[in-house]
Amino acid sequence: NAGVTQTPKFQVLKTGQSMTLQCAQDMNHEYMSWYRQDPGMGLRLIHYSVGAGITDQGEVPNGYNVSRSTTEDFPLRLLSAAPSQTSVYFCASSYRQGWGRGFFGQGTRLTVV
Amino acid sequence: AQTVTQSQPEMSVQEAETVTLSCTYDTSENNYYLFWYKQPPSRQMILVIRQEAYKQQNATENRFSVNFQKAAKSFSLKISDSQLGDTAMYFCAFNQETSGSRLTFGEGTQLTVNP
Repeated sequence: NAGVTQTPKFQVLKTGQSMTLQCAQDMNHEYMSWYRQDPGMGLRLIHYSVGAGITDQGEVPNGYNVSRSTTEDFPLRLLSAAPSQTSVYFCASSYRQGWGRGFFGQGTRLTVV
Repeated sequence: AQTVTQSQPEMSVQEAETVTLSCTYDTSENNYYLFWYKQPPSRQMILVIRQEAYKQQNATENRFSVNFQKAAKSFSLKISDSQLGDTAMYFCAFNQETSGSRLTFGEGTQLTVNP
């Protein structure tokens, strides 16, 4: 099935642990991005990429790293998890020329204790 | 920077009735897109409706329609004949053409449809 696949769907981490949220799309989209969703704040952009080898920071990038070695994959890394990173994370992809037909993954609920 | 504001954190409506969700935005750009997304308890982000700023005609999708007021920077969503399955969080979102595919979201409105 075409679309954006995120793994895992749920994760609990201890403070200081590291982990990678995986995101893959099979639509040959150039643009991929990560958002976090917190209560009362909507979705906020963490990092984005406009193509393989190109990444940039969004609105809330601190504490997160990304890389884009292939068109299909855009993993999000938490190097040292903090309770403030407890959130729901969404990966999204679209063609570069605008969001119009973009797609979201199913989301990852991350809890840092 | 663009901002999107949804001033109604929660709303409720009776089944079969009509409800309107409000959204205002701020931008100095002329070319942009506006969206309404629905997020049910499953967390899935579902595109409800999309509006191009250069189009004067309001977008409609079955029971969903928008009232796009460009000068007032207002973009409200009207849901007609509300159904129990419409219960969800609704997000208004903005995409500026010059920013590629970056989306700016409002805070969301939790809509409950009562039987």
